[in-house]
Amino acid sequence: KAGVTQTPRYLIKTRGQQVTLSCSPISGHRSVSWYQQTPGQGLQFLFEYFSETQRNKGNFPGRFSGRQFSNSRSEMNVSTLELGDSALYLCASSFQRGATDTQYFGPGTRLTVL
Amino acid sequence: GENVEQHPSTLSVQEGDSAVIKCTYSDSASNYFPWYKQELGKGPQLIIDIRSNVGEKKDQRIAVTLNKTAKHFSLHITETQPEDSAVYFCAASSVWGGKLIFGQGTELSVKP
Repeated sequence: KAGVTQTPRYLIKTRGQQVTLSCSPISGHRSVSWYQQTPGQGLQFLFEYFSETQRNKGNFPGRFSGRQFSNSRSEMNVSTLELGDSALYLCASSFQRGATDTQYFGPGTRLTVL
Repeated sequence: GENVEQHPSTLSVQEGDSAVIKCTYSDSASNYFPWYKQELGKGPQLIIDIRSNVGEKKDQRIAVTLNKTAKHFSLHITETQPEDSAVYFCAASSVWGGKLIFGQGTELSVKP
């Protein structure tokens, strides 16, 4: 079974631009969560989508948004990029959205904001 | 608020020795505790997990113990090998499904 895939793997943008990242979950998985990883803050939860609806949101500004499609694929968008948005963005999928469901991570998208 | 503390931040052992990483969580409602291994340039890979109805779980050289009363859990790696070198993260589930709270990570170095 193929794992979680994320595209693109690397991205360079400038301040003020916007960016869209894509995530394809493991086949059959319906829940997709997004995390931001930085050296200073570690791994922080952004949001979770299940059945095309955002079910949970972390403590990030409204510039961070996402959506999920009927095939469970998900995208996240960051508008008006800031230097501090440079990070590894990780997507994780799970079969359901229970608190004990195992989350499997993709390789991440490395975003650099100049 | 929800918080997970992880220690130590770095750990260096000789090949063949054991390694222990400890985590403490704050939310008593947490009932799922996974451990991830992250190698350079890769996403976190699940290595073992434990649910709150179990006190200990073992998978070959890796074991995890959970003490719900004290709100802490630990990862034990025995007979370490150089390929075990990586950053290890503990996490605890939030009462809100789909959200994991991560520790700050432990950089494990296994010297041949």
